[in-house]
Amino acid sequence: EDQVTQSPEALRLQEGESSSLNCSYTVSGLRGLFWYRQDPGKGPEFLFTLYSAGEEKEKERLKATLTKKESFLHITAPKPEDSATYLCAVPLRRHSGAGSYQLTFGKGTKLSVIP
Amino acid sequence: GAGVSQTPSNKVTEKGKYVELRCDPISGHTALYWYRQSLGQGPEFLIYFQGTGAADDSGLPNDRFFAVRPEGSVSTLKIQRTERGDSAVYLCASSPLWGTSGGASTQYFGPGTRLTVL
Repeated sequence: EDQVTQSPEALRLQEGESSSLNCSYTVSGLRGLFWYRQDPGKGPEFLFTLYSAGEEKEKERLKATLTKKESFLHITAPKPEDSATYLCAVPLRRHSGAGSYQLTFGKGTKLSVIP
Repeated sequence: GAGVSQTPSNKVTEKGKYVELRCDPISGHTALYWYRQSLGQGPEFLIYFQGTGAADDSGLPNDRFFAVRPEGSVSTLKIQRTERGDSAVYLCASSPLWGTSGGASTQYFGPGTRLTVL
C-alpha cells in the first residue's frame, strides 16, 4: 500500500541547532516529492519539489534531498521563525490530465525553535 | 500575483444545516483540488476538477458532499445535513495542468476554511 511516513512527529531545537526531518515513502513510480510548510491556522505553503533520487534543493536555511526511499529536510542554524509544521507529500494517483495527481501527505513534523 | 483564496475563513454551523465553501484558484490554473485536514493530520484528498468537470471525486466521504466548478474557475464545496464529524479545515489547491519533466505539477494551497459543526 502506498504511504508516506514522517519522523519525528515533533522536534524541539535551540536556535542555531541544526537537524533533519525525515519523510519515507512507499510509492511505485515516484512522480515527485513535495515539501510544504504550514503555520498554525494557515494553508500549506509550498517549499520544494524533488523529482529524482540524488536531487537537492535549497532555500535559505532549508535543504531538501531525495533518495529512492526517503527525503530529508535539513535545517541549518534554525531561527524561531522557522517554527512550523513541515509536511511532505507524494503524488498517488494520476488524474486525467498530464500532471494532475492526488497528493498523499504524511502527518507532518511540528518543529519548535527556541530562542 | 494573487494566490488561492477561500471564503469564509471560518464557518460555524449547527448539526443538520447546509454549508457552502468557496475557492478562487490562481488565474490560469486548470486543475483544482479540495482536501480536508483534521487536527494533527495531513490534508486528505476529496475531489479534483480539470476545467469544469469533476475528474475524480473518489475522496468524497459520502453523498452529503458535493462540489461544482461551473465556469472552470471558482469552485464551491457543498455539504448537506452537516454532522459534527464534518468539523475540519477544508483546503483548496490549484495547479497548472503540466508538471516538470513528466512529473506531477505543484499544487498551491489556499488559507483554508475552518468548519465547526456544533
